[in-house]
Amino acid sequence: QQQVKQSPQSLIVQKGGISIINCAYENTAFDYFPWYQQFPGKGPALLIAIRPDVSEKKEGRFTISFNKSAKQFSLHIMDSQPGDSATYFCAASTDGSSNTGKLIFGQGTTLQVKP
Amino acid sequence: GAVVSQHPSWVICKSGTSVKIECRSLDFQATTMFWYRQFPKQSLMLMATSNEGSKATYEQGVEKDKFLINHASLTLSTLTVTSAHPEDSSFYICSASPGDGTQYFGPGTRLLVL
Repeated sequence: QQQVKQSPQSLIVQKGGISIINCAYENTAFDYFPWYQQFPGKGPALLIAIRPDVSEKKEGRFTISFNKSAKQFSLHIMDSQPGDSATYFCAASTDGSSNTGKLIFGQGTTLQVKP
Repeated sequence: GAVVSQHPSWVICKSGTSVKIECRSLDFQATTMFWYRQFPKQSLMLMATSNEGSKATYEQGVEKDKFLINHASLTLSTLTVTSAHPEDSSFYICSASPGDGTQYFGPGTRLLVL
């Protein structure tokens, strides 16, 4: 019940296209859903995050869509660029408004954007 | 803002020696820091949660005597891998939270035990 399932495992998109990564969870107590971007040999960088009181959040080319009833959330990268090629992790936590919330990570998606 | 540093960025050591990794929040205070381990092409595995001034909370299966964690101040946590062995070779990443549930990650430390 603590798992976060992420798909696809890998994704190839042409430059300018839309990259879509999906995550699903079971624990309805999760209340904070961040997405992280990780380049090889580097630590994850926070991209965008959402809480369950909204269904969508957009920051630049990155959008999170959140479906509370389906217990799913997704990351959309618009106008994908070769520089977006990286591994993306979704995550979820309970008690997300405090320091104590532990992040449960998805398995990761390796995105390759072809020029 | 929200910068977390780690030192060293990589370390090579002999089997049986101990290695200390530092994690610092540079521009915010973090009452809680987290330590993760990541194997190649895999997700992050939480090892322990570190609270300033108190004992760390370890995840199931993580040896607390092997991975010593100290959170001496609101901006510094250390992870010491004691009596390191080749199977401890991994990418160790810390994160810090400024108090709103957000976690900001450090750049990671690659440990190779020969």
